[in-house]
Amino acid sequence: NAGVTQTPKFRVLKTGQSMTLLCAQDMNHEYMYWYRQDPGMGLRLIHYSVGEGTTAKGEVPDGYNVSRLKKQNFLLGLESAAPSQTSVYFCASSYEGVNQPQHFGDGTRLSIL
Amino acid sequence: AQSVSQHNHHVILSEAASLELGCNYSYGGTVNLFWYVQYPGQHLQLLLKYFSGDPLVKGIKGFEAEFIKSKFSFNLRKPSVQWSDTAEYFCAVNANTGFQKLVFGTGTRLLVSP
Repeated sequence: NAGVTQTPKFRVLKTGQSMTLLCAQDMNHEYMYWYRQDPGMGLRLIHYSVGEGTTAKGEVPDGYNVSRLKKQNFLLGLESAAPSQTSVYFCASSYEGVNQPQHFGDGTRLSIL
Repeated sequence: AQSVSQHNHHVILSEAASLELGCNYSYGGTVNLFWYVQYPGQHLQLLLKYFSGDPLVKGIKGFEAEFIKSKFSFNLRKPSVQWSDTAEYFCAVNANTGFQKLVFGTGTRLLVSP
């Protein structure tokens, strides 16, 4: 049982390049989330999805887009990468319900030069 | 809007010492409370959670937390830490209404020296 799988694990981009981070979960979770983790700031929610075909903005959505075409996948896109987007990105998923814990992937370390 | 404060950013303890990490939140309604742990190089894992009932909750690896509603606090405790407890600890809260958008604290880095 893989849980939440993120690819790639590391990536270095140049300013202005685009890329997509992939998150896949095999737990049949309804909800999925993308966070970024920066030193001294904890985790901040970028975008989330409450079901296949739905997406919504979180706390820090600017510069990112997402898609949830299949229930098990949640993609995070950077259309034109900026140095301020250098961070560690975590995907998470959970069952539907306000008190369901979130399950996290191993993270993607992204550096923008 | 909800917010979470973790006042201790870095904590250094010797093995066998007792641990208490502070967590305070701001939200007037009913909340769900979580503590997550992130070991070096790993993803976040759930330590324990509180939804309702007994305000003293027990989690994995000997951790416990006490919800004190009057103080808006959910402090994490462990009687005797081990070197393997070296990690970053995050408190998180969501409102018990509607969609569960978790708000995380900034984390506390714990270093346990052998």
